[in-house]
Order: sequence, then C-alpha cells, then structure tokens
Amino acid sequence: AQKVTQAQTEISVVEKEDVTLDCVYETRDTTYYLFWYKQPPSGELVFLIRRNSFDEQNEISGRYSWNFQKSTSSFNFTITASQVVDSAVYFCALSELYNFNKFYFGSGTKLNVKP
Amino acid sequence: EPEVTQTPSHQVTQMGQEVILRCVPISNHLYFYWYRQILGQKVEFLVSFYNNEISEKSEIFDDQFSVERPDGSNFTLKIRSTKLEDSAMYFCASAGGFFNQPQHFGDGTRLSIL
Repeated sequence: AQKVTQAQTEISVVEKEDVTLDCVYETRDTTYYLFWYKQPPSGELVFLIRRNSFDEQNEISGRYSWNFQKSTSSFNFTITASQVVDSAVYFCALSELYNFNKFYFGSGTKLNVKP
Repeated sequence: EPEVTQTPSHQVTQMGQEVILRCVPISNHLYFYWYRQILGQKVEFLVSFYNNEISEKSEIFDDQFSVERPDGSNFTLKIRSTKLEDSAMYFCASAGGFFNQPQHFGDGTRLSIL
C-alpha cells in the first residue's frame, strides 16, 4: 500500500492563478513528520517545509501555505499567485519515528505554470 | 547553513563496471541514507546507516550494492557490475539525531549506464 499518495500527476495553470497540490498519507505511527520538496529541472531536492504530527497549525510562508488535516490524513500545499519559476515537480514525503527517519515519497506532482 | 555534498554530479559508466558515489554528510550528523530516483519516477529509499552499520535496507538494495563510511566523513555507495537499469539520480541524506531533525539531501549524482 502506498504510504504517500499524490493523485495529481500533472497540473497546468496560468501565471497568477492559485494552485493546490494534494497529498494523502498513511501511517500507523502517532509520531511522524510530513514534508514537501520541490524538484526543479536541474534535479536537486529543495526542502520547503516540515510538519510534525502534533502540530496541526497551518503554515504560511510568502506565497506558499500548507494545510495539515490529521482527520483526513492530508497535507496539502497551496501556491498563491503562481509564477513561472514555480514550475517543478513537487514531492510530499512521510517520515515515521520508528523507521529510522526513512522517507516515503509520493510519486510527485508536476506543476507547469504558463506565462 | 551546512550542506550535504555529493560527488560527482554526473557519472557515466559502462555497463558491468563498478561505480562509487560519494557523499559528505553534515559533520555532526549520525544517520545516513541513500535514495534513488529513476528518471520521471518517485524517490525511493535504498538504505539507512547508523553507528557504522546498515540499519535498514530496501528490496532494491541487493548484493550489488554496498555502503561504507571509510574515514568518518565520507559516506559512499558502491554499485558493482552496473546494469542499464541502475541509471538514475542517487541522493544522499543525513539526519542529526533520532527524529529530531529533517533529513538534509545532497544535490544528487546522476548516474548514466551505457
């Protein structure tokens, strides 16, 4: 079974539109971390956010915001007023306490922002 | 901010050859990892390493693979007798302690097997 599901394979938006990337996770642990990473065409993984399982506060960082809902096991990522530079593949990931911090990555969502 | 560094950034190797991918984790980190990403696919866990031994490995990490921390600073992934399907991006990561810090990823080594 998939531990992290990103159902949206690819999304295309026009610049300045808002876009939400969905992430649903599965774990039996009560203590875990959730992450979002951005992977631009150059290939590196750029850390965006970490959220632990005890902190359900939503977070906003500039144009980025994250909505963590334990009740639905979701950790969605919204980009407000998207820009062409936001074009990348975005990965959601789960790390469980009793798994030596091993990451489970989703399959990624490719975001295309057109001018 | 300290970084995980990986060398080389791109490695091209003939099928059947051995390849060593190198990583320098963040200096005070204790946990080390290798992940693999085949082009266009998700990032997959290969192996975790703690206290000079493998703590966990995936089914991908078979006898063809080995890891080593030879000198207290480098963390290497060796792939013996490479196959075409080993072509992928390989990411190294390190973590400072047990569940108290996020993993820091290197920029990856793109391995191309010809």
